[in-house]
Order: sequence, then C-alpha cells, then structure tokens
Amino acid sequence: DIQLTQSPSSVSASVGDRVSITCRASQGISSWLAWYQQKPGEAPKLLIYAASSLQSGVPSRFSGSGSGTDFTLTISSLQPEDSASYYCQQADSFPLTFGGGTKVEIK
Amino acid sequence: QVQLVESGGGVVQPGRSLRLSCAASGFPFIGYGMHWVRQAPGKGLEWVAVILYDGSNKYYADSVKGRFTISRDNSKNTLYLQMNSLRAEDTAVYYCAKVHSGSWYTLSDWGQGTLVTVSS
Repeated sequence: DIQLTQSPSSVSASVGDRVSITCRASQGISSWLAWYQQKPGEAPKLLIYAASSLQSGVPSRFSGSGSGTDFTLTISSLQPEDSASYYCQQADSFPLTFGGGTKVEIK
Repeated sequence: QVQLVESGGGVVQPGRSLRLSCAASGFPFIGYGMHWVRQAPGKGLEWVAVILYDGSNKYYADSVKGRFTISRDNSKNTLYLQMNSLRAEDTAVYYCAKVHSGSWYTLSDWGQGTLVTVSS
C-alpha cells in the first residue's frame, strides 16, 4: 500500500499569510494526488485533483504542486473560512490511502 | 446539483450486521463509480470500498475484506454497504462519495455521512 506522510500536523497562521502543507508518498505516484478540506462536522470537500488542477468552485488562493513523491498544497492568502483540516489522498491505485491530516487554525 | 444522502447508521452490538444506503441524485448514477470512506471519531479518513459504474468490479480495504460488501442498484440510484461481523473498530462516520469524472481514484462529491457505533 502507498503510505502518505503529511506535514505539519497542525499550523497556526494569521489572516493573509501564505500557508503550505506537504505530502510525501512512499513511492512515486506521478501526479495522482488529491487534496481535500474538511471543516468540523462536515464532509470532506475536493480542492485539488491531479496534483495541481483546481476543482470547480474552489477559490484560486488554493493551489497544488508536485509530482512523483513530493507534493504541496498552498493557500496564498489565508482567510478565516479556511480554518479546517486538510488531507492529501493518493489517486494512483487501490487501496486508496489518505495522509494523516493537517489542522489549519487562524491566529 | 449532486446530492448524496446516506442512511442506515445506528448503534449495533459487536458481531451483528448493518446495511448502509446512499441515495444519489443530480447526476447520471449509472455512469459513475462510487466509494465508501469512513472516519472514526476524532481520526482521519480511511477508504473502505469502491464499486465501478456497472458493479462489475469491486475493491476493498484489507480491514473490511470478507466482512463488508459494496453493491449498487442502478434502477434505484442507490449505493449500499452491507457490514457483517461488526467490530468496535468499525465505529465511524461512513461517507459515500462519487468518483471524479477524470479518475476512479478521486472523490469529487461526498454525502453528509451516517454514524455507525459498534458497542455492547
């Protein structure tokens, strides 16, 4: 199975800050990676697919990059509504696996 | 718009069975694979199973293989998860999710989830 390691596990930043979350895969997965946002009590929401493609309706301050084993989700200017947990997920093969999650808090 | 509504969760004793349903609307259900993903209280996301658009192929996480069965009724636009021999570690919110149009392996839309609690 492909293991995904996310870092940091939590981050606290101010409104307007640039925030980056990394995800490392245990083996190469080309660009087959997705990012999800989950707010407390809600279902996950797809933000980024194929490593860098923005899902329809997602604000452009979210971006994804990377390929192979190393990936990054960047929020260019943090907004209050971005307070949430973020998960990466490998979309290369079954069984699908998720990273452990990163909790983003607003200072 | 896409709507996925799970039902069937509840409290069940260890060793018993439960069947979850996911009613789909707002898209051509027959054309899309569907997944189940779960989340234990306070924990991260764990993929459970997938079924392709016509039910011809199914894949499972090792943790549920042999105990859970995913199925679908395309005439009713409904996805199912039959859960047998339930264990305490199966306690979680169970989400159904639709595959992304470009990839079986990406989940584009999720239901609100249904809570399954396995406890004596």
